[in-house]
Amino acid sequence: DADVTQTPRNRITKTGKRIMLECSQTKGHDRMYWYRQDPGLGLRLIYYSFDVKDINKGEISDGYSVSRQAQAKFSLSLESAIPNQTALYFCATSDSKLTYEQYFGPGTRLTVT
Amino acid sequence: EDQVTQSPEALRLQEGESSSLNCSYTVSGLRGLFWYRQDPGKGPEFLFTLYSAGEEKEKERLKATLTKKESFLHITAPKPEDSATYLCAVQASSGGSYIPTFGRGTSLIVHP
Repeated sequence: DADVTQTPRNRITKTGKRIMLECSQTKGHDRMYWYRQDPGLGLRLIYYSFDVKDINKGEISDGYSVSRQAQAKFSLSLESAIPNQTALYFCATSDSKLTYEQYFGPGTRLTVT
Repeated sequence: EDQVTQSPEALRLQEGESSSLNCSYTVSGLRGLFWYRQDPGKGPEFLFTLYSAGEEKEKERLKATLTKKESFLHITAPKPEDSATYLCAVQASSGGSYIPTFGRGTSLIVHP
């Protein structure tokens, strides 16, 4: 089984709808991250969490919110989706006690029409 | 502000034609420099971490090297299955949130 899982893998939604993307990990890592990736723009950080009670905004947090329900679960919500939120979304984890490299999930392809 | 610049943006090679990808960085104290491989539509896959100038790491046809200003990913005798986007990221050791800064990647295509 994959260490970092994301659900759903693909989602098409309409403008104005609320949508939640979920991430779960079995690596036992304390840090979790949400990124979006757009062609030509690379990976951009939306939110990150260093532990359950520590959540921080990344460079593009407007229009997004997150919840860290447990050490292993980190959800990303789009309260009112808009077309320019169409992108590939990745969850990642890292372990602050080790060597800081990140482990990514398989991604969620989100389309907002 | 930490910065990472990768070059070239895209690279086409013939199978067996060795080459190098560049990652130039500016960071206030380097905690680590990371290389990832990303296949289309998939999440990045961790390859290497380099910590200090002069360090080298190898994995199959890939070899990563590090200086105080840049890192190279050398690809020796590449095969078509090496085709992917290669991402570089740096993490600072001070002055911030210790969040990695990513470059935009180099898209590598290896033709048979």
